This record gives sequence, C-alpha cells and structure tokens, in this order.
Amino acid sequence: KQEVTQIPAALSVPEGENLVLNCSFTDSAIYNLQWFRQDPGKGLTSLLLIQSSQREQTSGRLNASLDKSSGRSTLYIAASQPGDSATYLCAVKRGSTLGRLYFGRGTQLTVWP
Amino acid sequence: SQTIHQWPATLVQPVGSPLSLECTVEGTSNPNLYWYRQAAGRGLQLLFYSVGIGQISSEVPQNLSASRPQDRQFILSSKKLLLSDSGFYLCAWTQGAEAFFGQGTRLTVV
Repeated sequence: KQEVTQIPAALSVPEGENLVLNCSFTDSAIYNLQWFRQDPGKGLTSLLLIQSSQREQTSGRLNASLDKSSGRSTLYIAASQPGDSATYLCAVKRGSTLGRLYFGRGTQLTVWP
Repeated sequence: SQTIHQWPATLVQPVGSPLSLECTVEGTSNPNLYWYRQAAGRGLQLLFYSVGIGQISSEVPQNLSASRPQDRQFILSSKKLLLSDSGFYLCAWTQGAEAFFGQGTRLTVV
C-alpha cells in the first residue's frame, strides 16, 4: 500500500523567506505526483503536476521536484508572502486509468508579515 | 473550461437522518469521479470512485453509498447518518493526468 508522508507538519516563517516542503512516498511505481494548496474550509487547488518521467515543474514562485527512485518530492516556494499561508498537500497517483490519489496529511504553512 | 460544483457547502444533520450530497462537472465528458472525506487531524480518505455511469467502486466499508446517474453527476448518500460521518467531503474529477477538486461540503452530524 502506498503511504505518503509530509514533513514538516507545520511551518511558520517570516515574509520573504525561501522555503522547502517535503513529501515522501513508499512505492516508487507512481504515474504522477501533484501538489495542492488548501485554504481553511475550502477545497483543494492544484498547484503543480509532475509526471513520473519528469524531474521538476515550475509555476511562478513555485518549483516542484521529483526523485521517483528515492520516493521523494520537494516543493520550493521562493520569496514567501502572507498570501501563501495555507495547507500544502502532496498526492501521488497510481496507474493512469483510475487515477487513484494517495495523499499526505499536509504541511500547514504560516507566513507572517 | 472545466468546472466542478458541489453542494451544499455546509450541512448540519441529526444522527439517523438521511444524506445526499451532489457533485456535477461541467466542460468535460466521461470523467473519472471521486468522493473523498477529510476528517479533522487526518488525511484525505478515498470513499468512492467511478469510471462511468452506474459504475461505482467502494474503497472503505461504511454506511455511505454513491451513485452516478449521469455522466457528469456523482451523488454521495446515506440512509442513516452516524456521528462518525462528520467531516469535510470533497468531490474530484480526473480525465487523464491532473485531478481537480470541488469546494467541499462541511458535514456535521449532531
């Protein structure tokens, strides 16, 4: 069974810092990995999707890397802002047809001004 | 563009009452549809998924059920709610690689 772990569980940083969120998974036979953002009481917003054949994806201040062989992904946030405060979830997808996602419990990020 | 609608946004129901949560997807056809539950302090738990009309697979034994009466409609139901059914319910769809989620329904069973 695929297990996804996210470290740290919570992170509090001052505005402007560059930070790294970590995600690890036990089964390297994944189809892709997706990073989501969740604001309190809201649904999940897709941030970045990395296919299993890719090493990284970038969107604005966000960069996600994937090392499938070691079962790890990192989400790098540059020049953090208070608006980045949210819970960040990573999910790995097994297979292509059914697309079942296995989620970590998330990293709760607080960026203070 | 594709959008996903979930309603209601919040719901407070007494123990033993029935439940019906609805999810619809627009702008796509034949999506894979999913119901997840997010309980306090826990990760997202996959409850049901569907690859087509009338095709439902259950991941976790419980007193909930799901139905897909139309291609882009997914319904989560219960005949009698339990306290343990409280949580945040999320509908999601995929068509290919990326997954997209609705805004969720906060269910409190009292």
